[in-house]
Order: sequence, then C-alpha cells, then structure tokens
Amino acid sequence: DQQVKQNSPSLSVQEGRISILNCDYTNSMFDYFLWYKKYPAEGPTFLISISSIKDKNEDGRFTVFLNKSAKHLSLHIVPSQPGDSAVYFCAASAGDNFNKFYFGSGTKLNVKP
Amino acid sequence: NAGVMQNPRHLVRRRGQEARLRCSPMKGHSHVYWYRQLPEEGLKFMVYLQKENIIDESGMPKERFSAEFPKEGPSILRIQQVVRGDSAAYFCASSPGTLFYEQYFGPGTRLTVT
Repeated sequence: DQQVKQNSPSLSVQEGRISILNCDYTNSMFDYFLWYKKYPAEGPTFLISISSIKDKNEDGRFTVFLNKSAKHLSLHIVPSQPGDSAVYFCAASAGDNFNKFYFGSGTKLNVKP
Repeated sequence: NAGVMQNPRHLVRRRGQEARLRCSPMKGHSHVYWYRQLPEEGLKFMVYLQKENIIDESGMPKERFSAEFPKEGPSILRIQQVVRGDSAAYFCASSPGTLFYEQYFGPGTRLTVT
C-alpha cells in the first residue's frame, strides 16, 4: 500500500538547468510534506518542507510546490549543480499522526557538468 | 553538535542469530524513529519512541522485532532469529518535538543475513 509515490526512479539534468522532481500521494489526510536528499552510505538529509496551508515554499535554490487538489508535490532545483546529484525522497505525514512519515521510493538525480 | 549516531554501521548475522542495532539521538532530542529500507525501495516507518515509551509501533513486524528507548542510553532495535528477508538498511531518526518537526537521520546500519 504505497501512499506516497515517486514514479521516476531517475532523472538526468545538465548543470545550470532546472531539475523537477515529482511526488504523488493518495491519502487526503496528509498535511505535511518534506523532501530529503540522500547520498550513498549516508542517512537522508532534510532539505525542505511544506504544510498544507501553503502551496509554495522556497529556500535558496530549492522550491517545493504543493497542489492539494491533484495530490501532487514537486521539488524544483534551479540552477542544478553537480553536487545536487543524489537520491531525493519525498515524505508525508497526517495531522492525526504527524510523527509517522510515509516515504516515496526515491528519484536518483544526476546533474551532468 | 553531534548528529544522530548509529552503530554498528555494518552488521553480518547468520540465520537464526540476533541482531542489535543502536541509535543515539541528537543532543536535546527525545523522540526516536526507526525506518527500514529494502533494496530499490523507500524508507518504511517501523516504530516511534520517546524515553521509556513506545508511541507508535504500527510498522513493526509482529514477531521477532522489538525496540526500546531507555531512560539512559541509546535506543535499541532488536531482531531475534534473523532471516534473509531482514537484510536491509535500518535508519534511525530523531526530532526535538512533536508538531511539524523534521526528523534528522543517522547514517544507518546495513544488516546482512547470511
């Protein structure tokens, strides 16, 4: 029962261009969303979050967009840098159990120099 | 300010043995979470603990798996009588509070069952 889905296992982008990573969810009770970045042999690192009262949150080169009606969120990285190459996970939690995060399967981003 | 620490980083066990994974949360964090990542999959929630209390263990297999977070010392995830299907990366995370706090992850323990 995969409540959070990342349908693109991999994405390749040229340095300097925009990277767009997508995430879909099925549970309409989810109201807090996060993106994590993971390098090999390391734990996930928190990147950016958004609560359902917003539709956009920006932090430097990273912007997360939330479309509640479509149950879809996306992470935009612009401009992309080679150091951004990693696996990106989206995660979601519901207000009645906000400590339990549901993770997508990840998208491996490769930024080519 | 040390991050979340997990040990061992790699653990090899034969089928039927016990595996003990340890997690020390970040300083000041009293909430600990355990996740499991199988190959080519995302992280799956297992259990959420506060000091001396299991708050949510809905992701824990009913048998062989247990977790604790004692008053003193690290959190322990214990797997008894391991089987090959237990081979995975186990990540621990901690957070300072309850509402809308991101969780900070440790580097994980990679368990291999031979």
